[in-house]
This record gives sequence, C-alpha cells and structure tokens, in this order.
Amino acid sequence: GAVVSQHPSRVICKSGTSVKIECRSLDFQATTMFWYRQFPKQSLMLMATSNEGSKATYEQGVEKDKFLINHASLTLSTLTVTSAHPEDSSFYICSASRPGRTYEQYFGPGTRLTVT
Amino acid sequence: AQRVTQPEKLLSVFKGAPVELKCNYSYSGSPELFWYVQYSRQRLQLLLRHISRESIKGFTADLNKGETSFHLKKPFAQEEDSAMYYCALLYNFNKFYFGSGTKLNVKP
Repeated sequence: GAVVSQHPSRVICKSGTSVKIECRSLDFQATTMFWYRQFPKQSLMLMATSNEGSKATYEQGVEKDKFLINHASLTLSTLTVTSAHPEDSSFYICSASRPGRTYEQYFGPGTRLTVT
Repeated sequence: AQRVTQPEKLLSVFKGAPVELKCNYSYSGSPELFWYVQYSRQRLQLLLRHISRESIKGFTADLNKGETSFHLKKPFAQEEDSAMYYCALLYNFNKFYFGSGTKLNVKP
C-alpha cells in the first residue's frame, strides 16, 4: 500500500501558459501533501505543504501566486504553474503522508516540466 | 535554520567492500533524521529512520549528536545497492530538509 501517483509524467509547454500537475494518493487518505522541486543533480527543495481543505503553506522564496496549490480532497492535490517561463523548467515531485504519521512520506514518481 | 550536508557526490566501492555514506546536520531543535534511497528509474523511498534503530537491507545509521552526524553504513556492499542516497532532516513536525545526495556505485 501507500502509492502516490503523479500526472503527467512529462509536459512541455510554451512560455506564458499555465500547467497543472496532479498528485494522487491511490490507496490511502493523505491529510498532508508536499510539493518539491528538484534541479538537475541537486537535492529536493520543499516548495509548499498542503493540507486538505485549507490553504497551502509556502516555503520562503516560493511565489505562491506563481505556484498555485489546491488540495481539494484527501486523495488529490494539484500544483499549477502559472505563466510559466523557461526558468520554471524542473522536476516536480509530490509526496503524501498518512494521518498521524507525518514523518513518513510517500513520494510520487515526479513530473518533468519543460517550458519552451 | 536547518541544514543537511552530504559531502560526497559520488562514492564508488567494489562489491563486498564496506560502505559509509556521510551525513552531517545542523539543527537547533531535537533532530529526527532519515535516509531515503532512489534506485534507477524509481521513486524516492524511505530506507531507514534513526528512531527505529533498525537495519534495512543490511544498512544501519547511528545518530551522533556530539558530531551532529548520521552516517549510513553497510559492512558488505552489493551491486543492487547502487542508487542515489539522500539524508533528510525532519523539522516542524512534518517537513523534510534533504541533503544534496550521494550516488553510490557498487562495482562488480
């Protein structure tokens, strides 16, 4: 159990457009989901924490108006990159944790975003 | 502020040799540390957690508060251990700060 999926796995978009990435917990309810960004050959950087039914908490330096996060249900969180620019090109990874076990996060396979 | 340092980007060892992946941390609170592993073309997954004090796939890690370290060790490396290893610090109850990762390459 504890599988997290992401869709799409890869996306290419033009500069100025918006892209939505979905993160789903397939076999458990995730009260909290996390969004990370990973640059090539670098570590994962936490962007934001989202709790079902409430506003996401963004890490310092992350533009909340650019990276819109919605956690509408216990199994789905979405990250929308608005007005994407080439510098937004990156690998975006989500993770989810079960209620009461926030230390144990299950990671999605990631989404490769390329902005041309 | 919290910080996790993994000084080695790449570690190459021969099969059967001991391996130690280094991790140092900086955190003002009580640290809770983890090792995550990412095998080729797979997602990141939890390897072990310091509180559990368990051995997973032959790997162990001891938290040394005096040296602020949480090194990952295995006495006899196997080829299937080749992967990317990330040391992570849990802070604010549910947030992870990841180190930059060490790629372990176990040669036959």
